[in-house]
Amino acid sequence: DVKVTQSSRYLVKRTGEKVFLECVQDMDHENMFWYRQDPGLGLRLIYFSYDVKMKEKGDIPEGYSVSREKKERFSLILESASTNQTSMYLCASRPWDSRDQPQHFGDGTRLSIL
Amino acid sequence: QQQVKQSPQSLIVQKGGIPIINCAYENTAFDYFPWYQQFPGKGPALLIAIRPDVSEKKEGRFTISFNKSAKQFSLHIMDSQPGDSATYFCAAILNNDMRFGAGTRLTVKP
Repeated sequence: DVKVTQSSRYLVKRTGEKVFLECVQDMDHENMFWYRQDPGLGLRLIYFSYDVKMKEKGDIPEGYSVSREKKERFSLILESASTNQTSMYLCASRPWDSRDQPQHFGDGTRLSIL
Repeated sequence: QQQVKQSPQSLIVQKGGIPIINCAYENTAFDYFPWYQQFPGKGPALLIAIRPDVSEKKEGRFTISFNKSAKQFSLHIMDSQPGDSATYFCAAILNNDMRFGAGTRLTVKP
């Protein structure tokens, strides 16, 4: 069974701080994703990565960056946190050859920026 | 732009009822349509999925109906139970482009 683990369930940070959200998957999936989830807006893609050191912008990349130094780990970075980045952040993974396999999600990190 | 529109936003049914959640998509190139179930404090979990060459798929009490010409698909939950109370998301996928609906909060009353 696929396991996607997000390092923190809850985080509270201050405006202007640099924030790191970590995600690890144990199924050797090539593709990894970061979403944010807000009420009434569903899930919106921030960034995704299809290989080590590769990344692609999603729909809302502004204010975020990502790092993928190892295949199993995908990090989301808030360069200078702002209050409008308070949200639930979800990491997901998916194999490269994934025609009939949607993404597998972690349990999320609820981030509050004060 | 919202490529997948989901309705209703919330839904309350009695135990044993059949809640129906609807989704409509715009891009005819989408080729896979999953539904996710999310409980509070948990990430979305895959519930059931369908390809556009199939009009209906059943897994247990969950059924997807798919209307390719109308670009619509829906989730039906038979004999709903209080344990089905959760938020449900539809999605549409093309390669690594996965678009989600806004979600439906379902409450099943005992």
